[in-house]
Amino acid sequence: AQSVTQPDIHITVSEGASLELRCNYSYGATPYLFWYVQSPGQGLQLLLKYFSGDTLVQGIKGFEAEFKRSQSSFNLRKPSVHWSDAAEYFCAGYSRGGGSNYKLTFGKGTLLTVNP
Amino acid sequence: SAVISQKPSRDICQRGTSLTIQCQVDSQVTMMFWYRQQPGQSLTLIATANQGSEATYESGFVIDKFPISRPNLTFSTLTVSNMSPEDSSIYLCSVEGVAYEQYFGPGTRLTVT
Repeated sequence: AQSVTQPDIHITVSEGASLELRCNYSYGATPYLFWYVQSPGQGLQLLLKYFSGDTLVQGIKGFEAEFKRSQSSFNLRKPSVHWSDAAEYFCAGYSRGGGSNYKLTFGKGTLLTVNP
Repeated sequence: SAVISQKPSRDICQRGTSLTIQCQVDSQVTMMFWYRQQPGQSLTLIATANQGSEATYESGFVIDKFPISRPNLTFSTLTVSNMSPEDSSIYLCSVEGVAYEQYFGPGTRLTVT
């Protein structure tokens, strides 16, 4: 089954430190992959997306992600974390086919805590 | 990106009652989606709603429990029927963008007592 896995439930970093959030996917063909952020009490905001082409994609708020087919990964990175980045981050993959015809599947999320 | 609003933003309901959640988009869209996010959990797709056709439900979700309307290209409603405490969740609607991404509304936080 097509799926997205986020191995880390909770990550804590210090403000100004670099960040990498892991995401692994299980898709037969080249997947469409996304990263979303959910701040407390808020809806989901799209950070970036990957469909094809350049494997390093830039997003909003200084985030980037790299698609690595050999590792089935799509990790999210930021060189210097700000306190306002504290939130829940979701990796998602998009697949067609099956009874639902169209479905965005989410990982379980990684909660990011930023220490001052 | 589309601007999406949801009403109500939150509600506290008694078990056995029903709540209808509204989702309004500022532009015409073909596909709208409804998700459930249980406390501390990820998002689960409830159903896909296309204008002019019956909603398509995911495994584990049925129309009698979660009836959906899609009267036009900018509006949809999700009803949570005969609620129980297990229905306490955040319900989000989303729309598809021009390149398969989805944009989400702010969510409706439902508590069932």
